[in-house]
Amino acid sequence: GENVEQHPSTLSVQEGDSAVIKCTYSDSASNYFPWYKQELGKRPQLIIDIRSNVGEKKDQRIAVTLNKTAKHFSLHITETQPEDSAVYFCAAINDYKLSFGAGTTVTVRA
Amino acid sequence: ETGVTQTPRHLVMGMTNKKSLKCEQHLGHNAMYWYKQSAKKPLELMFVYNFKEQTENNSVPSRFSPECPNSSHLFLHLHTLQPEDSALYLCASSRETSSPEQYFGPGTRLTVT
Repeated sequence: GENVEQHPSTLSVQEGDSAVIKCTYSDSASNYFPWYKQELGKRPQLIIDIRSNVGEKKDQRIAVTLNKTAKHFSLHITETQPEDSAVYFCAAINDYKLSFGAGTTVTVRA
Repeated sequence: ETGVTQTPRHLVMGMTNKKSLKCEQHLGHNAMYWYKQSAKKPLELMFVYNFKEQTENNSVPSRFSPECPNSSHLFLHLHTLQPEDSALYLCASSRETSSPEQYFGPGTRLTVT
């Protein structure tokens, strides 16, 4: 089955700085890579995704990149704000099964 | 509330109790999922239903028993659980199992004493 690894497990950044989270996956057949944000006590919510036929996607302050050859993908958050503090999960989907990374707790320091 | 709802939000049960978790989606989706979220671990897929039919049982112990009476409702029946089963149980739905975008419910925080 698919194995998704996510690093780092915790990330503390100064407000206004950038945050980068990296994930690797094992199954080359995986073709969809969503990122979820889970604020404390709330449900995971999809914030951005990328499909295997695209190398990069951007939505305002967040962007994702995908390197299919190396089987890794990354989330980039620029100009971080306190409301960006949350746990971020990467995932890879193969067939219909989502396999999640262990999560990155991001703390934005004011 | 729109989207995916779950009840109860919090549940404390003893190891000999029987309880059920309920999930309802108001999105017109046909696929529903149960996930287990434990601290410091990835979300674990437990069960998948597509058009009311179970399509995936991810090696889940039989003390967890899912039920999907229709495409909008999903239950997780619990009996003789263990303390290590304490976790956040999340329900999710998608248009179909071939649709990758999943929408999550708020979860049920389960504590087994």
